Amino acid sequence: ETGVTQSPTHLIKTRGQQVTLRCSSQSGHNTVSWYQQALGQGPQFIFQYYREEENGRGNFPPRFSGLQFPNYSSELNVNALELDDSALYLCASSLVGGNSPLHFGNGTRLTVT
Amino acid sequence: GENVEQHPSTLSVQEGDSAVIKCTYSDSASNYFPWYKQELGKGPQLIIDIRSNVGEKKDQRIAVTLNKTAKHFSLHITETQPEDSAVYFCAAFNQAGTALIFGKGTTLSVSS
Repeated sequence: ETGVTQSPTHLIKTRGQQVTLRCSSQSGHNTVSWYQQALGQGPQFIFQYYREEENGRGNFPPRFSGLQFPNYSSELNVNALELDDSALYLCASSLVGGNSPLHFGNGTRLTVT
Repeated sequence: GENVEQHPSTLSVQEGDSAVIKCTYSDSASNYFPWYKQELGKGPQLIIDIRSNVGEKKDQRIAVTLNKTAKHFSLHITETQPEDSAVYFCAAFNQAGTALIFGKGTTLSVSS
């Protein structure tokens, strides 16, 4: 069973730039969720994708957007980067349906300077 | 919206002792409560979970208890080992069942 994989592991960007983070789901999982984890905090929900459509969104501005592909892999795009966007971005996969266990990747550490 | 509070924020124990971490949640509609362990440089790893139709669940040295009336759930680790040292997070799903709401985490240190 292949777990959730994310790329890249680390990234440094400049304020105002755009970034794309990638995620491959655990085999057999059809739902992908993205979370932002600031240093010393718990993960915060950004959004979830199922059947290539957004299926729920947290309190994040529209410059955070995503995609899910037919093979269930996913991208997180962030435009107009701000210093506060510096965080660990986590991808989690699960089966569709409320309250299914989420399995996380090791994340992408984004630093915005 | 759903809110999850977690205590304590730090916990130091001696190897072999027990450790207990407690969480409360606000949304009475929540019915799934996972616990995650996060080691430095890694993502959260699911270690145990419990659903609202169950009061207690055990997996070797780890157990979770749930009191739906009081909206409390707790993680119990017995016979702690140095490799149990990590940050532990409790969580609960929001009402839609799409988003996990996490507590702020407990840093557990087990000294030998």
